[in-house]
Amino acid sequence: DSGVTQTPKHLITATGQRVTLRCSPRSGDLSVYWYQQSLDQGLQFLIQYYNGEERAKGNILERFSAQQFPDLHSELNLSSLELGDSALYFCASSVVWDALRGEQFFGPGTRLTVL
Amino acid sequence: AQKITQTQPGMFVQEKEAVTLDCTYDTSDPSYGLFWYKQPSSGEMIFLIYQGSYDQQNATEGRYSLNFQKARKSANLVISASQLGDSAMYFCAMRSYTGANSKLTFGKGITLSVRP
Repeated sequence: DSGVTQTPKHLITATGQRVTLRCSPRSGDLSVYWYQQSLDQGLQFLIQYYNGEERAKGNILERFSAQQFPDLHSELNLSSLELGDSALYFCASSVVWDALRGEQFFGPGTRLTVL
Repeated sequence: AQKITQTQPGMFVQEKEAVTLDCTYDTSDPSYGLFWYKQPSSGEMIFLIYQGSYDQQNATEGRYSLNFQKARKSANLVISASQLGDSAMYFCAMRSYTGANSKLTFGKGITLSVRP
């Protein structure tokens, strides 16, 4: 158990819908990262937050957005869902964002299926 | 841009034997870190080992060691005394110290199957 929690574990929805994925980082970790894992794209970085502020964006679609709240939990919002958005979405956390080592500890993931 | 390459097809190893999983990387950053993660069939990503680009010695963590060859830009994972529970997908990843972006760039992964 990494200490990072994600809910829900599984999510099945229809095209065009909107969903929210939730992540609670490890106690003491200020930085949260979101990754998407799909069969064709592999593991891709989406977005990073540090202590409530957005730090970096990766291959995140405009239909997707995220935020980190004062209690440091984070939510990833996916809207106008398409079949291709079906994937495993991971949240990861680390203590700092600017240290070279900064292992990222991953949550169990949310498996999103868009029908 | 950073790139991680893992090209081995599915790997098989006999229980209790050692296995090497290959990883090559490309970056123009002088300072970077290399990571290996394990993803069992249950799906979670488990951190295994870290190697810094300026570390003088190869990293070791229990049965895991990292064969780091900086000039060749390779960071191979060695698993000694394989166990059935080592059957999983293994990902090599890197992070460069840009100060503004600490994302991990992952390779496509290697599937390891341990035979009894």
